[in-house]
Amino acid sequence: QSVLTQPPSASGTPGQRVTISCSGSSSNIGSNDVSWYQQLPRTAPKLLISSNNQRPSGVPDRFSGSKSGTSASLAISGLQSDDEADYYCAAWDDTLNGPVFGGGTKLTVL
Amino acid sequence: QVQLVQSGAEVKKPGSSVKVSCKASGDTFSSYGISWVRQAPGQGLEWMGRIIPIIDTANYAHKFQGRVTITADKSTGTAYMELSSLRSDDTAVYYCARGGSSLHPAFDPWGQGTLVTVSS
Repeated sequence: QSVLTQPPSASGTPGQRVTISCSGSSSNIGSNDVSWYQQLPRTAPKLLISSNNQRPSGVPDRFSGSKSGTSASLAISGLQSDDEADYYCAAWDDTLNGPVFGGGTKLTVL
Repeated sequence: QVQLVQSGAEVKKPGSSVKVSCKASGDTFSSYGISWVRQAPGQGLEWMGRIIPIIDTANYAHKFQGRVTITADKSTGTAYMELSSLRSDDTAVYYCARGGSSLHPAFDPWGQGTLVTVSS
């Protein structure tokens, strides 16, 4: 049981826009920044979004993040076949005094 | 540009210990810290703990306290994660990643991962 809640799956067709949600509480998302990670099959996770909405150098602007209250979202526009991956959200948790992850969302490009 | 390179796959017996290394190149250890995150087969990511090498302070997730030890050798830029009393459900890919502290919570970059298999 993950501290942050994500839908287990999401899907879209090429060119579409999809969003993935991440729900937490006042001790994590409600008071700290959210980061998002992309994990392609059989590879290590890669940072996609930090500090709620900041893209590291090299991450396409098709990926965007937002946060409101105790929830966050990752949006992917212009969906491509190589976006098919698992996506994870994470945030610091003040009560647990450590970072926590969502359970991950498997994105399928139809 | 920091790169993290981990040691190779391990096969261990139940009850034994494993020690995985993570060497940083391209930059020296900073105040970011080095975290260890594991991923059991078909499962999600789980934070185990973190060390901030410049102050030699480690913190652990409650679940792993007493069983995991994270250390760092500043002279070689290498962090280590040792997990003891191994059980079959410790079979997982273990990743190191820079970050995971309250000041620098995002994890970037990540090592390539080390598969630890616990089997009799």
